[in-house]
Amino acid sequence: AQRVTQPEKLLSVFKGAPVELKCNYSYSGSPELFWYVQYSRQRLQLLLRHISRESIKGFTADLNKGETSFHLKKPFAQEEDSAMYYCALRANYGGATNKLIFGTGTLLAVQP
Amino acid sequence: GAVVSQHPSWVICKSGTSVKIECRSLDFQATTMFWYRQFPKQSLMLMATSNEGSKATYEQGVEKDKFLINHASLTLSTLTVTSAHPEDSSFYICSARRTGPNTEAFFGQGTRLTVV
Repeated sequence: AQRVTQPEKLLSVFKGAPVELKCNYSYSGSPELFWYVQYSRQRLQLLLRHISRESIKGFTADLNKGETSFHLKKPFAQEEDSAMYYCALRANYGGATNKLIFGTGTLLAVQP
Repeated sequence: GAVVSQHPSWVICKSGTSVKIECRSLDFQATTMFWYRQFPKQSLMLMATSNEGSKATYEQGVEKDKFLINHASLTLSTLTVTSAHPEDSSFYICSARRTGPNTEAFFGQGTRLTVV
């Protein structure tokens, strides 16, 4: 079964500190991994996906198949990064009907 | 990016009545849309996958007769909560993907349903 685990419900850091939001997954095949972000009173939006291998708003995430992890990292947190972050997995067998499975989310609070 | 719009943004209804929530992809065609339910301070739980022109695929434990899904066109899917009860009160979110493989999912702003 597909499962996404985010062990931390809340992560509180000071501005300028490094951030790492943990995400582990279980899936027997080759998954697609995503990070979604939900700012206060806004809709869920895609932050980044592992196949893009890009950095968005200073965030990066590397898929580690050996550890089945997709941790989200940023070297220097900003106050505007405060939001709810969801890790998500999609089975990668093609087709538009593949569903996204979400982790429970981590609330990142960046303090001044 | 593409826009997905839900209507209404919030609704209050009496117990026993039915409520319809619309999900529209405003500037793209979506063969597939997804309906999620989110409880306070919890994650999104997938309820069903809505396929244009065919029956929806429901997740285990979701009552298909309770949550009726219709996907009549490539830009519109509807979720009807039938005979609503207070325990159906929740935040319902839809998402839509462009037709084709490896496409991004875009999310609606959500609908807050309160059953009194």
